[in-house]
Amino acid sequence: GIQVEQSPPDLILQEGANSTLRCNFSDSVNNLQWFHQNPWGQLINLFYIPSGTKQNGRLSATTVATERYSLLYISSSQTTDSGVYFCALRQANAGKSTFGDGTTLTVKP
Amino acid sequence: DGGITQSPKYLFRKEGQNVTLSCEQNLNHDAMYWYRQDPGQGLRLIYYSQIVNDFQKGDIAEGYSVSREKKESFPLTVTSAQKNPTAFYLCASSIWGANTEAFFGQGTRLTVV
Repeated sequence: GIQVEQSPPDLILQEGANSTLRCNFSDSVNNLQWFHQNPWGQLINLFYIPSGTKQNGRLSATTVATERYSLLYISSSQTTDSGVYFCALRQANAGKSTFGDGTTLTVKP
Repeated sequence: DGGITQSPKYLFRKEGQNVTLSCEQNLNHDAMYWYRQDPGQGLRLIYYSQIVNDFQKGDIAEGYSVSREKKESFPLTVTSAQKNPTAFYLCASSIWGANTEAFFGQGTRLTVV
């Protein structure tokens, strides 16, 4: 099956700093989502981004499907951004998602 | 409110007992999924269902069972055959297909005591 690698595994920032999270994948995909898992465990949808670039406030994401990677940018980080960020992929003819192991982000005040 | 509701949030089970986790959605989605998450790890697929009365094993189905009698509901039973059931369980739903977005419930934390 498809392999998904997220980096870095852990990231510690001071409040106000910017960061880039990366998701590499081993095969072509039809669908890529970024999620934020909050301290209570809930997965919050951030972006549905099989290709191109999207922005939502301080967050933006870019997927370059031909080169098999996606990037999540967080600008002016806040303590509430802390948590685990996952990318999840789906391939053609597959309705189920494969998750990476996540990046754990800690933003210190 | 549209969304996915999982219950209970916390569940304690004695060894040897079966327990059933509830997942209900009112998003009119055909597909529903169950994932397991262990501490510090990603999500692994247990079972999924594309349509009512049909479901498929995921990557770690042993020791689990599901049913899909209604479009809105996809309960997961953790049986006594599951050797290490303590984990966080997440339910999701989507329109079936590769180009659709999945949405998750708030999860159920199961602890074996």
